[in-house]
Amino acid sequence: GENVEQHPSTLSVQEGDSAVIKCTYSDSASNYFPWYKQELGKGPQLIIDIRSNVGEKKDQRIAVTLNKTAKHFSLHITETQPEDSAVYFCAATGGSSNTGKLIFGQGTTLQVKP
Amino acid sequence: EAGVAQSPRYKIIEKRQSVAFWCNPISGHATLYWYQQILGQGPKLLIQFQNNGVVDDSQLPKDRFSAERLKGVDSTLKIQPAKLEDSAVYLCASSFGPATYYEQYFGPGTRLTVT
Repeated sequence: GENVEQHPSTLSVQEGDSAVIKCTYSDSASNYFPWYKQELGKGPQLIIDIRSNVGEKKDQRIAVTLNKTAKHFSLHITETQPEDSAVYFCAATGGSSNTGKLIFGQGTTLQVKP
Repeated sequence: EAGVAQSPRYKIIEKRQSVAFWCNPISGHATLYWYQQILGQGPKLLIQFQNNGVVDDSQLPKDRFSAERLKGVDSTLKIQPAKLEDSAVYLCASSFGPATYYEQYFGPGTRLTVT
């Protein structure tokens, strides 16, 4: 069935360092890959997304890369700051009906130490 | 603009009791989603509405869960009877259209504890 695997489950970095989170997906029909940030007690918030016709996208300190052949995509955060500490989820569209159904990864808890 | 509103924020019930959650999406958003997020996991889609019609309810445990969006705006999700494994955060999200093309906005969620 449709599945998204996310690694690592926890990540601890020093302020200013880079952080990388990786995801793999199983459905070759997936064409949209968003990344969400979830802070304690809040709902997930979209931080960046990429579509299947693009290999890389960057927004200030955040970038996402997509390798469709290998069915994996990654989130890169540079110059990390304490406020980047949160749980990050990757997701991929699932199913061939184009309803926009999202399959989420298990999440990565990022801790940025001052 | 106002975000997705959910109530209540917290609910504690005993197993076999029933519970209902309410969601008010962002104005003008035709697509509404209910997700279940078990502690330590990513959100899992339970049901997706397009206006007041169901687009996907393949992962909704229909023997105990039900949801409706009668006027294409607000939505309620009900569990009857609740089981211990239903303890989770229930997230409502909305988007202008299908998530492939439009951003999903999430509400703060309702944390359900079943004892």
